[in-house]
Amino acid sequence: AQTVTQSQPEMSVQEAETVTLSCTYDTSENNYYLFWYKQPPSRQMILVIRQEAYKQQNATENRFSVNFQKAAKSFSLKISDSQLGDTAMYFCAFMNGGTYKYIFGTGTRLKVLA
Amino acid sequence: EAGVAQSPRYKIIEKRQSVAFWCNPISGHATLYWYQQILGQGPKLLIQFQNNGVVDDSQLPKDRFSAERLKGVDSTLKIQPAKLEDSAVYLCASSLWAGGSYEQYFGPGTRLTVT
Repeated sequence: AQTVTQSQPEMSVQEAETVTLSCTYDTSENNYYLFWYKQPPSRQMILVIRQEAYKQQNATENRFSVNFQKAAKSFSLKISDSQLGDTAMYFCAFMNGGTYKYIFGTGTRLKVLA
Repeated sequence: EAGVAQSPRYKIIEKRQSVAFWCNPISGHATLYWYQQILGQGPKLLIQFQNNGVVDDSQLPKDRFSAERLKGVDSTLKIQPAKLEDSAVYLCASSLWAGGSYEQYFGPGTRLTVT
């Protein structure tokens, strides 16, 4: 069975600084995808960034980038130039490429301080 | 394009009562998911549909929860009878699964409080 672990329940960062959120996963599958989702307070979940497991290159979306270490089964999210609007719960998610089933981590609550 | 719609947004019921939630996915999305998100936790998959067939319902408490997807479009999730531990946000999400698009789009959720 696949598992997703986020070991940082809460984090804070000063505005304009950089922060890294950690995620590890466990799987015996080769066909899978990894995602980071953001859930702002009282708002719906939106996709931040995704990574195909078969791609070695780390995904980047503007201020958001990942460090995908396949052998270590690690998938961390780096947020550069943090903004107040980045304050949210961040969930790491694993998706089985064969069944399309998602498994989410427990989340990291990020607070950006002015 | 319109997003995933869910109703109601909030519901308060007493234990042992029944409740139903409705979800309308993004047009053309074949895969539909229902999640339960307890406060402070990540979403837990309850059931996954591919068109109108069930792909995975291994974590659905079938003695009290049921779900259906009508004609491969709208879906309803029902709880009967509700327990206190069912208090949570119920999220619906859909995916296209074509052209390399496999991300989930989430609805706003239904917050259920069981008293």
